[in-house]
Amino acid sequence: ILNVEQSPQSLHVQEGDSTNFTCSFPSSNFYALHWYRWETAKSPEALFVMTLNGDEKKKGRISATLNTKEGYSYLYIKGSQPEDSATYLCAFTRDSNYQLIWGAGTKLIIKP
Amino acid sequence: DVKVTQSSRYLVKRTGEKVFLECVQDMDHENMFWYRQDPGLGLRLIYFSYDVKMKEKGDIPEGYSVSREKKERFSLILESASTNQTSMYLCASSTQGGNIQYFGAGTRLSVL
Repeated sequence: ILNVEQSPQSLHVQEGDSTNFTCSFPSSNFYALHWYRWETAKSPEALFVMTLNGDEKKKGRISATLNTKEGYSYLYIKGSQPEDSATYLCAFTRDSNYQLIWGAGTKLIIKP
Repeated sequence: DVKVTQSSRYLVKRTGEKVFLECVQDMDHENMFWYRQDPGLGLRLIYFSYDVKMKEKGDIPEGYSVSREKKERFSLILESASTNQTSMYLCASSTQGGNIQYFGAGTRLSVL
């Protein structure tokens, strides 16, 4: 059984503060780790796809790191803004199989 | 921009009804997927298709069937809807071997 765990389940952050959350996944036969953002009433959208141990990706104020040996990824948001409020999903694929195994998500709420 | 369109945002059906959820993508993607999302759980794969008229069972296919007669359209069918099929249904597509999945906005189905 493949499990992807995300923590925390939900998070309230003051506008302007920085935050981070975690995705844990099985480290064997790793192929890729994905982060998606899902805003209310919209489609989930891909943020990052990471494949190499030690990978770091950045898009504006959002960045992600990857440790495939220990099976975790962190997502960081610097200087949170109201538009960052969303559920952040991670998923991983193994052995180049394009099926994604999904975590339950971290729901981020930015308080003005 | 890739566009994945799901025919309905909200549906209310009665137990025993036959339900069709339609999904259309406009980017000539080979792969299409149907997921359901329930509170506290990650997205769970119901069925996927990697080509016209091809389908593969995902993790939770029971009670569902699919149809892919044209490349751009992937339909999810609930033969006889039951209350435990009340859920958010998400359609996605990707290129062959592609890492990134592109999602529709979801259909929230209530079965009464």
